[in-house]
Amino acid sequence: EADIYQTPRYLVIGTGKKITLECSQTMGHDKMYWYQQDPGMELHLIHYSYGVNSTEKGDLSSESTVSRIRTEHFPLTLESARPSHTSQYLCASSTLNEQFFGPGTRLTVL
Amino acid sequence: AQTVTQSQPEMSVQEAETVTLSCTYDTSENNYYLFWYKQPPSRQMILVIRQEAYKQQNATENRFSVNFQKAAKSFSLKISDSQLGDTAMYFCAFTPWTGKLIFGQGTTLQVKP
Repeated sequence: EADIYQTPRYLVIGTGKKITLECSQTMGHDKMYWYQQDPGMELHLIHYSYGVNSTEKGDLSSESTVSRIRTEHFPLTLESARPSHTSQYLCASSTLNEQFFGPGTRLTVL
Repeated sequence: AQTVTQSQPEMSVQEAETVTLSCTYDTSENNYYLFWYKQPPSRQMILVIRQEAYKQQNATENRFSVNFQKAAKSFSLKISDSQLGDTAMYFCAFTPWTGKLIFGQGTTLQVKP
C-alpha cells in the first residue's frame, strides 16, 4: 500500500546527542518536505526537496540537515540535539496538487 | 509575499450542527490550489478538501464544503452535521502549483456532544 512512514514515532534523548529522523514514502513522489510543529501551533517548513540530490532550506531556519540520495528516503539529522529542538517533526511528500503527511516524530530533548 | 490567515484560533460546535471556519490568503498568482487539512489530536494530518482556483464551482466532499471567493481571496470551510470525530485542528493552505504549501495558523475545532 502506498504510504509515507516516519520513525521513530517518539524519541526522548539527552542534550548533545546526534539523531536522525527517518522518512520514507512508497508513492514515487519527487517532492518531499520536513515541517516543525509545536503542539497546537502552526506548521513551519524547515527543509524540502524536489528530487534526488536536491535539497533546500525552508522558511524557518533550522540547525538540522537533510539528504536525498534516494527518491523514497528523506532523513533529517540533528548533529547535537538541544532542548530548543523539542518539537514534533512532520514529513510529507506531494504530487502537484496534494501533500501527504507522515504520522510525525515527537522529539523531546532533555 | 504569499500569506494565509486563519483568524479564529478556536471554535466549538454542538454535535449535528453546522460550523464555518474562515480563511483568507494573499497572492498575486492567478492559478493555484487551496486546501483544508485536518489534524486530529495525536493523529496524522489528512486532506479534507481541495479547490482549484480556476474552477468557479465550490468543492464539496460529503459533509464538507467550501465557499471560495477568488476576488476577495477568501476560502471558508463549512462542516455540516458535525460529528465528534470532526474534533481536530484545521489548517487552511495554499500552493501556487509548486507543491510547496503555505499554511495558516490553524483553527482548533471542538465538537461537543
